[in-house]
Amino acid sequence: AQSVSQHNHHVILSEAASLELGCNYSYGGTVNLFWYVQYPGQHLQLLLKYFSGDPLVKGIKGFEAEFIKSKFSFNLRKPSVQWSDTAEYFCAAGQDTGTASKLTFGTGTRLQVTL
Amino acid sequence: NAGVTQTPKFQVLKTGQSMTLQCAQDMNHNSMYWYRQDPGMGLRLIYYSASEGTTDKGEVPNGYNVSRLNKREFSLRLESAAPSQTSVYFCASSEGRRFYNEQFFGPGTRLTVL
Repeated sequence: AQSVSQHNHHVILSEAASLELGCNYSYGGTVNLFWYVQYPGQHLQLLLKYFSGDPLVKGIKGFEAEFIKSKFSFNLRKPSVQWSDTAEYFCAAGQDTGTASKLTFGTGTRLQVTL
Repeated sequence: NAGVTQTPKFQVLKTGQSMTLQCAQDMNHNSMYWYRQDPGMGLRLIYYSASEGTTDKGEVPNGYNVSRLNKREFSLRLESAAPSQTSVYFCASSEGRRFYNEQFFGPGTRLTVL
């Protein structure tokens, strides 16, 4: 079965610091990777996704992620975080079952940005 | 265009009571999903519906049933609620069956079972 690991459970950063959140997946086949964000009290929103092509993917709000196939990783980065980036971040891997698109989520990383 | 809507937003049940969580999407999506979100466990798939008229079990289906009423609506039923079902429930939809399709999420239902 596919699994997704997020090793950082809670990250605290000061504004303007750089961010990197780790994500590793375990699946040898073709996989589609996502990062979702959940702001306090809100539903999940897509930050970015990768399914083929350039392994460096740019998303909304200045976020980017790099797919490294050899490391089974899809880490999320942002050069300079803002207080408004305080949220929970979920990495997810999509697997084609032939009948539906199914996502496996990581356990999430709570990011707290201090002023 | 409301996207994915869920009702109710909050619910408190006693053990053994039943209830149905409602979900609707107005994006003409084929596939719909139900997840539960628990602290430290991320989102786990309960059931999904690849297309109208089909439903399949996800990772944690025990204690739940679903109905894909039509293309727009996908409900989740708890027949006899248990405290272990206290969670936040999210409905999602995606355009089609392909694994690269993005899923769009609703605002969630916070359920407490006493």
